[in-house]
Parts: sequence; structure tokens; C-alpha cells
Amino acid sequence: DIQMTQSPSSLSASVGDRVTITCRASQGISNYLAWFQQQPGKAPKSLIYAASTLQSGVPSKFSGSGSGTDFTLTISSLQPEDFATYYCQQYNSYPYTFGQGTKLEIK
Amino acid sequence: EVQLVESGGGLVKPGGSLRLSCAASGFTFSSYTMNWVRQAPGKGLEWVSSISSSSSYIYYADSVKGRFTISRDNTKNSLYLQMNSLRAEDTAVYYCARAKPEDYWGQGTLVTVSS
Repeated sequence: DIQMTQSPSSLSASVGDRVTITCRASQGISNYLAWFQQQPGKAPKSLIYAASTLQSGVPSKFSGSGSGTDFTLTISSLQPEDFATYYCQQYNSYPYTFGQGTKLEIK
Repeated sequence: EVQLVESGGGLVKPGGSLRLSCAASGFTFSSYTMNWVRQAPGKGLEWVSSISSSSSYIYYADSVKGRFTISRDNTKNSLYLQMNSLRAEDTAVYYCARAKPEDYWGQGTLVTVSS
């Protein structure tokens, strides 16, 4: 199985900041990488697929990059609604696997 | 508007069975791969199972293989997860999600396995 490792596990930032979350795959997955946002008590929301393609309706403050084994999610100009937990997921091969999550908290 | 509504969760004893359902609307259900993803209390997301649009391809996580069965009825726009031999570690919110990778998610249904 492909292991997905996110860093950091938690992150404190202020409104207006720009933050970057990293996701590393245990083997190459081309660009079959997705990012999700989850608010407490809510279902996950899809942000990005194919490593860098924004889902419809997702604001351009979210951006993704990477290929192979190393990927990043960048969120610019943080707003209160952006403080949530973020997950990466590889869908290159079954079983699909998620990173352990990165909790973004307000400083 | 795409909608996915799960049902069927509840409290069940270890070794028991439960069948989850997901009612889909707002899109051509028969054209999409569908998935079940779960989240144990306070934990991260775990992919459980996927089924292709025509049910030709089915995949399971090792943790549920042999105990869970995914199925779909394209005439009823519905996805199912039959869960047998349930264990305490199966306790989670179970989400139904569309496509590969998952683009729309339901609100989830809670399954609690406890004596």
C-alpha cells in the first residue's frame, strides 16, 4: 500500500497569513493526488484533484503543486473559514490512502 | 444540485450486521464510480470501498475485506454497504462519496459497534 505522510500535523497561523502543507507519498503516484478540507462535525470538501486542479467553486487562494512523491497545498490570505483540517489522498492505485491530516488553527 | 444522503447507521453489537444506504440525486448516478469512506471518532479519513459505474470493478480496504460488501442499484440511484461481523474498530462515521477522486460527499451516518 502507498503511505501518505503530511507535515506538519498541526499548524498555527493568523488571519491574512499564507501557509503551506506538504504531503509525501511512499512511492511515485504521478499527479494522482487530491486535497480535502474538513470543518469540525462536517463532511470533507474536495478542494483540488490531479495535484493542482481546483474543483469548481473553490477559490483561487487555494493552490496545489507537485508530482511523483512530493506535493504541496498552499493557502493564501487566510480567512476564519479556512481554519480546518486538511487531508491529502492518493488515487493512483487501490487501496486509496489518505494522509493523517493537518489541523490548521488560529494563532 | 448533487445530493448524497446516507442512512442505516446505528448501534450494533460486535459480530452483528448493518446495511448502509446512500441515495443519490442531481446527477447521472449510473455514470460514476462511487465510494465509501469512514472516519473513526477523532481520527482521520479511511477509504473503505469503491464500485465502478456498472459494478464491474469492486475494491475493498484490507481492514474490511471479506466482511463488507459494496453494491449499487443504478435503477434506484442507490449505493449500499453491507457490513457483517462488525468489530469495535468499525465504529465510525461512514460517508458516501462520488467519483474518483471523491468530489461530492454525503453528510455521513454514524455506526457504533458496542456491547
